[in-house]
Amino acid sequence: DADVTQTPRNRITKTGKRIMLECSQTKGHDRMYWYRQDPGLGLQLIYYSFDVKDINKGEISDGYSVSRQAQAKFSLSLESAIPNQTALYFCATARGTGLTDTQYFGPGTRLTVL
Amino acid sequence: AQTVTQSQPEMSVQEAETVTLSCTYDTSENNYYLFWYKQPPSRQMILVIRQEAYKQQNATENRFSVNFQKAAKSFSLKISDSQLGDTAMYFCASITWGGSQGNLIFGKGTKLSVKP
Repeated sequence: DADVTQTPRNRITKTGKRIMLECSQTKGHDRMYWYRQDPGLGLQLIYYSFDVKDINKGEISDGYSVSRQAQAKFSLSLESAIPNQTALYFCATARGTGLTDTQYFGPGTRLTVL
Repeated sequence: AQTVTQSQPEMSVQEAETVTLSCTYDTSENNYYLFWYKQPPSRQMILVIRQEAYKQQNATENRFSVNFQKAAKSFSLKISDSQLGDTAMYFCASITWGGSQGNLIFGKGTKLSVKP
């Protein structure tokens, strides 16, 4: 079984709808991240969490919110989806014992907003 | 602010040959790590190799090695004996100890095609 899973893997929705993307991990890591990838660009950080009680905004948090329900679960919500949020979304985890720890990525969720 | 630049949008190489992907970065921090991630058509992000800035020795992982030039802020990836399975997007990334608290900053990627 994969260590970092994301659901759904693909989603098509309409403008104005509320969407939730979910991430679960079995690695026991404290740190979790949400990234967005647009064509021709690298990954940009949306939100990150260093533990259950810690939530931080990344570079491009506008239009998004997150919830860290447990150490293993980190959800990303689009309250009112818009077409320019069409992108590939990645969740990642890191052990959290140092800033240098490698981040491990989920398989990604492809979101299309019509 | 941290930046990572990959100046080669696309590259191609013949199977079994060697190819080098370029990356430059800019940071005001003294402590940082550098990474190369691979994203094949399956879109999974896979760590290829990482380099600690305080280490002078270049990192190596099997057919993958880096040329880390700290003064020039350059971090290139060399792939030896290229294989068809190496076809992917390659992203250079950096992480620092500073205000960004361990967040990865990515370049825009280089699309590598390995031709039979």
